[in-house]
Amino acid sequence: EVQLVESGGGLVQPGGSLRLSCAASGFTFSSYAMSWVRQAPGKGLEWVSTISGSGGSTYYADSVKGRFTLSRDNSKNTLYLQVNSLRAEDTAIYYCAKCYSSGWYSGDYYYYMDVWGKGTTVTVSS
Amino acid sequence: EIVMTQSPATLSVSPGEGATLSCRASQSVNSNLAWYQHKPGQAPRLLIYGASTRATGIPARFSGSGSGTEFTLTISSLQSEDFALYYCQHYNNWPQTFGQGTKVEIK
Repeated sequence: EVQLVESGGGLVQPGGSLRLSCAASGFTFSSYAMSWVRQAPGKGLEWVSTISGSGGSTYYADSVKGRFTLSRDNSKNTLYLQVNSLRAEDTAIYYCAKCYSSGWYSGDYYYYMDVWGKGTTVTVSS
Repeated sequence: EIVMTQSPATLSVSPGEGATLSCRASQSVNSNLAWYQHKPGQAPRLLIYGASTRATGIPARFSGSGSGTEFTLTISSLQSEDFALYYCQHYNNWPQTFGQGTKVEIK
C-alpha cells in the first residue's frame, strides 16, 4: 500500500524557516515525481512545487519561487521542502503527493497527483 | 498561467440524485485535466485523470468528460460518502493550477 506521511510543520514567526518532510513507502520512490500542494484556511488547493524522480528537475509556483526549495533523498525514500522567509500567507496545510507522468509534450514532462498524504500544518504568526 | 474556473461554487443535492460539476480553462489544456475529491481532515483523492479516465478504485458513478477548455464531472446517484469538495486541476503546462472548488452538500 502506498503511504505518504508528512511531518515538520509547526508555528513559526514571519521571516522564519521550516523543513517539511514526507516519508514514502509502498512504491519505488525514485521512479516517481513528487509534489507539494497546500491549502490555506478557507481556501482551495494550490500547487506549490514538483520534483522529478531523479531530482534533476524542479518546478515552483511563482508565489514560492526563491523562498522554497524542494529536494529528495531517494536512499531514504523521503521528500523535503525547505521553506524560508515565511509569510502569513504561507499559513496552510501542506500535502505531499505522489505524481504520475502524463508523458512528454511541449518540451517537458507533466504530472497529476495520484496518491496524497494527510498533510502537515504550517502556521506563520508572531 | 491558466486560470481554472469551477461552477457552481456550491451544489445542493439529495442523496440518490445526480450532480454535474463544471470546470472551464482560460485556454486549452487538451485532455490534461484531473478531478480530485477532498473531505475535511482527509487526504485529497484522485478521481479522474486524462479528463475521462477513472482512477483505480473509483466507483463507476463518477465520470468525466470534455477536452480543450470545457470539462464536466458527473456523479450519478450520490451516496452519503460523496458529499465533499471537488477540484479540477490542469497539468498541460507549468504552473499546474487548480480550480477554486465545488462543494457538494446535502440538500
